[in-house]
Amino acid sequence: DVKVTQSSRYLVKRTGEKVFLECVQDMDHENMFWYRQDPGLGLRLIYFSYDVKMKEKGDIPEGYSVSREKKERFSLILESASTNQTSMYLCASSAPIAGGFNEQFFGPGTRLTVL
Amino acid sequence: AQSVTQPDIHITVSEGASLELRCNYSYGATPYLFWYVQSPGQGLQLLLKYFSGDTLVQGIKGFEAEFKRSQSSFNLRKPSVHWSDAAEYFCAVFSTGGGNKLTFGTGTQLKVEL
Repeated sequence: DVKVTQSSRYLVKRTGEKVFLECVQDMDHENMFWYRQDPGLGLRLIYFSYDVKMKEKGDIPEGYSVSREKKERFSLILESASTNQTSMYLCASSAPIAGGFNEQFFGPGTRLTVL
Repeated sequence: AQSVTQPDIHITVSEGASLELRCNYSYGATPYLFWYVQSPGQGLQLLLKYFSGDTLVQGIKGFEAEFKRSQSSFNLRKPSVHWSDAAEYFCAVFSTGGGNKLTFGTGTQLKVEL
């Protein structure tokens, strides 16, 4: 079974703190993604990565950065957390297909609250 | 840019009744289309996908979806809903011309009455 794990299910942080959300996948997937999920807005892509040390901005990258030092791990960083970053964060991974798309496998999510 | 519309935010059906969840997409070329389900407290699970070929696709848990190019739709159906189907359902589109990204709809919350 493909497994995508996220370091925390629930996280509470204070405004201005630096926050790290970790995601690990065990299927040797090249592609990894970070989304945030908000009621009425669905899932929105923050950042994605197609390879180690490679990253690309998604639709809403402002206020976030990412790190991919190892193939299996993709970290989302909130440099200075703000209350509008309170949300559910979902990590996903997929294997690439040339000229196509493969299923994304999702982790259980981290519900982040910024006070 | 591609977009996905799920016009129904909430739907309530009785157990045993049929279900149809609507999804409309906007994209010029042939899209890759997906339906995902999110049970409470869980991540997203793929129900089914359409890449090409037969426009009626079968998925897991007894779900199916039909791709209609003329209507730009990819509606999800189930003939008889079970109480365990209560969840949030997301339609998504991927297109190689759209930055290789998956674009999700806003989701439809399904409630099943016993």
